[in-house]
Amino acid sequence: EVQLVESGGGLVKPGGSLRLSCAASGFTFSSYSMNWVRQAPGMGLEWVSSIGGDSNYISYADSVKGRFTISRDNAKNSLYLQMNSLRAADTAVYYCARLLTTRNGYNLDYWGQGILVTVSS
Amino acid sequence: QSVLTQPPSASGTPGQRVTISCSGSSSNIGSNTVSWYQQLPGTAPKLLIYNNDQRPSGVPDRFSGSKSGASASLAISGLQSEDEANYFCASWDDSLNGVFGGGTKLTVL
Repeated sequence: EVQLVESGGGLVKPGGSLRLSCAASGFTFSSYSMNWVRQAPGMGLEWVSSIGGDSNYISYADSVKGRFTISRDNAKNSLYLQMNSLRAADTAVYYCARLLTTRNGYNLDYWGQGILVTVSS
Repeated sequence: QSVLTQPPSASGTPGQRVTISCSGSSSNIGSNTVSWYQQLPGTAPKLLIYNNDQRPSGVPDRFSGSKSGASASLAISGLQSEDEANYFCASWDDSLNGVFGGGTKLTVL
């Protein structure tokens, strides 16, 4: 059974840093690209970042570029999101999600339960 | 402001058929596939439709998806009370960055 479990969230002051982790199990982690997606309270979903299976490909949303860094450790079946210079607008539930790549397209097929990050003084 | 445009709300009575639209552009839906997600209150999104019209194992065939040009739609037939949820469409842009719709809150009357 595919499982994705996020950790590392919490309350942080504006300008502070936080590192999120996502522990994966039930599949060959290194064979899949992984993503972070966030959802501000009462709002819609916002794609944050993607990383290829062997970290060969990395991309970020403009809203986090230069402040967030995505990484992974395939030996530990773990995905990370280092968040620096945090702003109130970064307050959200952060989900890690697996990317299903098919011949016809890309889809986020499994999601973690999400972890809340609150940026407030 | 979401990249993909969805109606904020939709409603129907039990047994009815409802559709939810998702509008994008040539640089996202027009050139990549669409997926749909169901999010029940307080839970993570769940993949409902992938590659425009494919259902993952376990998703009832009451749910169907379609795409035409830069738009897509999700149809739910035989509406049930447990279908009350938020529904999001998603695709990818030319840079392979993810894009989402703002979500549609479905109410079963």
